[in-house]
Amino acid sequence: NAGVTQTPKFQVLKTGQSMTLQCAQDMNHEYMSWYRQDPGMGLRLIHYSVGAGITDQGEVPNGYNVSRSTTEDFPLRLLSAAPSQTSVYFCASSFTVRATDTQYFGPGTRLTVL
Amino acid sequence: AQRVTQPEKLLSVFKGAPVELKCNYSYSGSPELFWYVQYSRQRLQLLLRHISRESIKGFTADLNKGETSFHLKKPFAQEEDSAMYYCALKSGYSTLTFGKGTMLLVSP
Repeated sequence: NAGVTQTPKFQVLKTGQSMTLQCAQDMNHEYMSWYRQDPGMGLRLIHYSVGAGITDQGEVPNGYNVSRSTTEDFPLRLLSAAPSQTSVYFCASSFTVRATDTQYFGPGTRLTVL
Repeated sequence: AQRVTQPEKLLSVFKGAPVELKCNYSYSGSPELFWYVQYSRQRLQLLLRHISRESIKGFTADLNKGETSFHLKKPFAQEEDSAMYYCALKSGYSTLTFGKGTMLLVSP
């Protein structure tokens, strides 16, 4: 199993550009989520999904869209990039959203918005 | 609302010294508590969870419901323990809530 994979590893955008961060898992996990990691802020939940076709907002959803058309993929779209979205983005997945299920994290995407 | 507090941004110790990374939480029910570790520029990985009551890499953590704490401890720190440590809380079907993290630096 490849586990949780993310592409790209690094990305530089200009303000106003849009892009999609890719996340995929091959563990047949129902639950997938996106976090952003900022110094001194820890990890904050952006969006999550409890299964194909179902998504919901986390703590910091503004400026981001998600969709879950398949169990395996959970892309994160930046609609119009802003410098405040400069961050490291982590995707995570687990079998379900139950507290007893371990979450597995991807390697991260380091995004810089100029 | 659930909240996790890690009061120390940075903890610096010498090799062989004891380590205690503090974590306090607020939640009215019975949460699951976790410690995640992130080594330099790597992905987060689960270190341990309170329900397992296990010791991983010499680390242990005890859930103290009276003090609402889940401190991470290791009797003798090693240089390879240097990393960012996150305490996290989850309950029932809620999402995972992280603390802001503590950077542990172990010097030779």
